[in-house]
Amino acid sequence: GAVVSQHPSWVICKSGTSVKIECRSLDFQATTMFWYRQFPKQSLMLMATSNEGSKATYEQGVEKDKFLINHASLTLSTLTVTSAHPEDSSFYICSADTVSRTGVNNEQFFGPGTRLTVL
Amino acid sequence: KQEVTQIPAALSVPEGENLVLNCSFTDSAIYNLQWFRQDPGKGLTSLLLIQSSQREQTSGRLNASLDKSSGRSTLYIAASQPGDSATYLCAASSNTGKLIFGQGTTLQVKP
Repeated sequence: GAVVSQHPSWVICKSGTSVKIECRSLDFQATTMFWYRQFPKQSLMLMATSNEGSKATYEQGVEKDKFLINHASLTLSTLTVTSAHPEDSSFYICSADTVSRTGVNNEQFFGPGTRLTVL
Repeated sequence: KQEVTQIPAALSVPEGENLVLNCSFTDSAIYNLQWFRQDPGKGLTSLLLIQSSQREQTSGRLNASLDKSSGRSTLYIAASQPGDSATYLCAASSNTGKLIFGQGTTLQVKP
């Protein structure tokens, strides 16, 4: 099946530092990747849509200057949380759109998530 | 704006029981509907995807149905097992690929 990886799986950082999270599609090319955030006991909230070679599209209320997204290749998207603060502590999950591989439009496969804790 | 609701929020059943999880959505113009499983602290595992032109999909003990006209989908789990304990999420997709998630149903299957 379609495999998506994330790195790191968890990270603890001090307030004010920046953290980069990588999302990779391992066995397919993904023209579109999505970034979600999940707070404890809540569902996933879409943060942004990342398209290879173009600027990301952010959802309402998500600060694009704080959450920098780069989709430099068809297998890699990165999310950088800049000047992280404790309220940014969350579970960040990416997904990749497999429309080009399986022939099923818009089926998304998800990475294992990254647990960010900001002290 | 699409809204997705899942009922119940939590469910506890004895092992072996058949059960149904419910998902409703407000905008019937969906592209597809996807059911996921999430174990604590983990990412999402895709279980079933139903395209808008389909009415149901089956995989093993799982069967998902879709009724666009009523804005509902159900996930049927047959002969539940303790290993089925997890949070089950449904998500409605627009033609842009965006997924709108429900709040999830946390299932506990007791041995």
